[in-house]
Amino acid sequence: AQKITQTQPGMFVQEKEAVTLDCTYDTSDPSYGLFWYKQPSSGEMIFLIYQGSYDQQNATEGRYSLNFQKARKSANLVISASQLGDSAMYFCAMREISKTSYDKVIFGPGTSLSVIP
Amino acid sequence: NAGVMQNPRHLVRRRGQEARLRCSPMKGHSHVYWYRQLPEEGLKFMVYLQKENIIDESGMPKERFSAEFPKEGPSILRIQQVVRGDSAAYFCASSVGTSGAGSNIQYFGAGTRLSVL
Repeated sequence: AQKITQTQPGMFVQEKEAVTLDCTYDTSDPSYGLFWYKQPSSGEMIFLIYQGSYDQQNATEGRYSLNFQKARKSANLVISASQLGDSAMYFCAMREISKTSYDKVIFGPGTSLSVIP
Repeated sequence: NAGVMQNPRHLVRRRGQEARLRCSPMKGHSHVYWYRQLPEEGLKFMVYLQKENIIDESGMPKERFSAEFPKEGPSILRIQQVVRGDSAAYFCASSVGTSGAGSNIQYFGAGTRLSVL
């Protein structure tokens, strides 16, 4: 059974500092995709970054980067130069690509990030 | 280019009434997914639809819940005879479509907050 684990229910970071949000996953599928979404207090889900299991390089999108360690089955999100607007819930998610008949994404429980001025 | 549109944003129903949640996917997207988020939890997959077809409804309760995505018009998630436990945020996401490889990123609407009195 696939599973996403986010062990940090809450995190604090000083403004302008970098922060790492942890995510580990469990799948027996050799082909999969990993996602991070942000959910601010307003409630919408915002796509941040994607990493494919066969991608050779770690994904980066602006201040977001994904520290992908395939052997350890971890996909940590790194946010550099934190801003007050980064305060939100962050969800790690996984999609198994080889099962192309079904296409559901499994979400972790989330990490609440608070940026301190 | 409008994103995923969900309405209503907030819906209040009394126990036993019906709730209808609507979702219009992003332009060019033919795949729709519904998720439920209980307070303080991550998103849980409910159902995956393509035009006029239910592809995977493994996450949807067998009774009282139904979903459709007609040839014309939005996708509808219908909850009959609502109970207090149905109170949650319901999110719709859309994507271009499945592929053997690639991200097939799901983009989310702002959600519908259902409150059952």
